[in-house]
Amino acid sequence: GAGVSQSPRYKVTKRGQDVALRCDPISGHVSLYWYRQALGQGPEFLTYFNYEAQQDKSGLPNDRFSAERPEGSISTLTIQRTEQRDSAMYRCASSLVAGGSTDTQYFGPGTRLTVL
Amino acid sequence: ILNVEQSPQSLHVQEGDSTNFTCSFPSSNFYALHWYRWETAKSPEALFVMTLNGDEKKKGRISATLNTKEGYSYLYIKGSQPEDSATYLCAFPVYNQGGKLIFGQGTELSVKP
Repeated sequence: GAGVSQSPRYKVTKRGQDVALRCDPISGHVSLYWYRQALGQGPEFLTYFNYEAQQDKSGLPNDRFSAERPEGSISTLTIQRTEQRDSAMYRCASSLVAGGSTDTQYFGPGTRLTVL
Repeated sequence: ILNVEQSPQSLHVQEGDSTNFTCSFPSSNFYALHWYRWETAKSPEALFVMTLNGDEKKKGRISATLNTKEGYSYLYIKGSQPEDSATYLCAFPVYNQGGKLIFGQGTELSVKP
């Protein structure tokens, strides 16, 4: 497909388990962003990459959250020892230009994470 | 702390009504303002990226204006249709931090037939 894809679309896990969320950006897009969206709120920035380099991880809530993009394409957001407060929609976006403020970010469908 | 405010939080209009809502953002260190349309259970869809003071952009019945000096943007919908029902989000790129976007809470528009 031509758009940003994410998997799984829904993830239900038990508290304390680790989860890995995957994002496949639009082919050729340099920048990849992760956001978290609570119900009724706008997306909240977590981290972003230019190519394989993580440029900013200031939005990651704590050290249980990590992200990687080893080959500059697909990215994985990992949450270790999940807690109920981690339940949210996790969205990925990509843009053509490296860290461009004026470049459109194209969003994926999101992964709905529920921690029981 | 950067604050992006949208008002109203929700809006209910009748089909055919024209409507508008506001996004307020910091007027210093302005790069751009992004508008997105988001339907629940779908991905946010990019509407506009606005960069110049006085800019006006249009997409069908939707248009947007920008005032960077006073830090606001208006989104207008002319002759609202039920399919316009969605949440409209604005987002502000953080100065000197690449494409990191700070989103407003959105305006939820409901158009009744």
